[in-house]
Amino acid sequence: GAVVSQHPSRVICKSGTSVKIECRSLDFQATTMFWYRQFPKQSLMLMATSNEGSKATYEQGVEKDKFLINHASLTLSTLTVTSAHPEDSSFYICSARGFNSPLHFGNGTRLTVT
Amino acid sequence: GQQLNQSPQSMFIQEGEDVSMNCTSSSIFNTWLWYKQDPGEGPVLLIALYKAGELTSNGRLTAQFGITRKDSFLNISASIPSDVGIYFCAGTFSNTNAGKSTFGDGTTLTVKP
Repeated sequence: GAVVSQHPSRVICKSGTSVKIECRSLDFQATTMFWYRQFPKQSLMLMATSNEGSKATYEQGVEKDKFLINHASLTLSTLTVTSAHPEDSSFYICSARGFNSPLHFGNGTRLTVT
Repeated sequence: GQQLNQSPQSMFIQEGEDVSMNCTSSSIFNTWLWYKQDPGEGPVLLIALYKAGELTSNGRLTAQFGITRKDSFLNISASIPSDVGIYFCAGTFSNTNAGKSTFGDGTTLTVKP
């Protein structure tokens, strides 16, 4: 079964609103969680690395004030897309890694901004 | 930065045929992972490799961690229609780059019944 749960799987929001996506590790403590964005027929584009209890590290070109990441516990990280615009529409995926476990992915969130 | 070259980019095969895809890197890794992604879903881990030379099987799938630590291959034997999807390799060198994984661009597999 799934070891990383991502919620919601789909969300439609209006331009200017904010959307929160949750990523939970189900049966292990995730020391590190990663957030990706994926465009159609392309590979995963890493947005940020999230370590529990510390600030996320963002990849070059990713606006940290627009994509707020909170890793409040060893099993939960959240990504908030603030003031969403249509160009933010995409497939967002999280992944999590524990002390002795390989990287597992959530099932993705399809965000559509109208 | 680290880069992975994954090939082939796409494959169109007949059901029952064997499949082989590989990833090569200019840098060494100490972990190689192979994932399959179905449309609209997140990647699912197929095989994890942790030692150079390691050969690991998962059902009809077999993957190997290259001796040089710069490459890995994934084989699928006797393909079936549900093998359709995008396969990604990922390499990690845990002691650098914050343990981030580098991903290949994917191999899109189409299986004709």
